Amino acid sequence: QKEVEQNSGPLSVPEGAIASLNCTYSDRGSQSFFWYRQYSGKSPELIMSIYSNGDKEDGRFTAQLNKASQYVSLLIRDSQPSDSATYLCAVSGPHSGAGSYQLTFGKGTKLSVIP
Amino acid sequence: SQTIHQWPATLVQPVGSPLSLECTVEGTSNPNLYWYRQAAGRGLQLLFYSVGIGQISSEVPQNLSASRPQDRQFILSSKKLLLSDSGFYLCAWSAPTNEQFFGPGTRLTVL
Repeated sequence: QKEVEQNSGPLSVPEGAIASLNCTYSDRGSQSFFWYRQYSGKSPELIMSIYSNGDKEDGRFTAQLNKASQYVSLLIRDSQPSDSATYLCAVSGPHSGAGSYQLTFGKGTKLSVIP
Repeated sequence: SQTIHQWPATLVQPVGSPLSLECTVEGTSNPNLYWYRQAAGRGLQLLFYSVGIGQISSEVPQNLSASRPQDRQFILSSKKLLLSDSGFYLCAWSAPTNEQFFGPGTRLTVL
C-alpha cells in the first residue's frame, strides 16, 4: 500500500514569513512528485512538479526532493494571506507503465497566513 | 489552452437513485482521464482512470462505474447511490508528462 504522509496542521505563519510544508512517501520506486493547492470548496490546482533530487524554484515557491530520505517539501517565501489553503502532496510511480498513471495523495496540510 | 468541464456543480440525490456525472476536456487529444473522490476528512481517492476510448481501469471496488464514449468525454455512473457515496467528485486529465489537472468538481450529497 503506497502511502503519502503530511502533517495535517493547521500551520500558521505571519504574513511575509517562510512557510515550510513537508511530505514523506513510502514507495521507493516513486519518480514524480507534485504539490497542489486547494482553496476551501474548490478543486486542487497544480503549483509545482519535481522529478529529480534537489531544489526547484518557481517564483515564491521552492520544491525540494530527497529520494534517499523519501522526503518532499514545499517552501513558500514572503507568505501572503492569499496563500492560505490546503496543500496536497502527490506522488506517482515509474515514468511508464500502469503505475505512472496513478497519483497517491496525502491528506494535505492546512496553511493559514496571518496578516 | 486546455480546459476541463464538469457538471453538475452540485447535486443532492436520495439513497437508491441513479447517478450520472459528466466530464469533458477541450484543447487536447487522447488525454488520460481520471475520476477521484474526496470525502470529508479524507484524502483524494482515485476511482477510475482511462488511457483511451472504451478503456477503463478501476482502482476501488464499489457501486460506481465509468465510461469513456468519446476521446474527451468521461462519465461516472451509479445505478443505486449509497449514503457513503457522498463527496466531492473530481475529474482530471493528464498528458504524457503525467501532471494531472483537475476540473471544478461536483459536490454530491446523498440523503
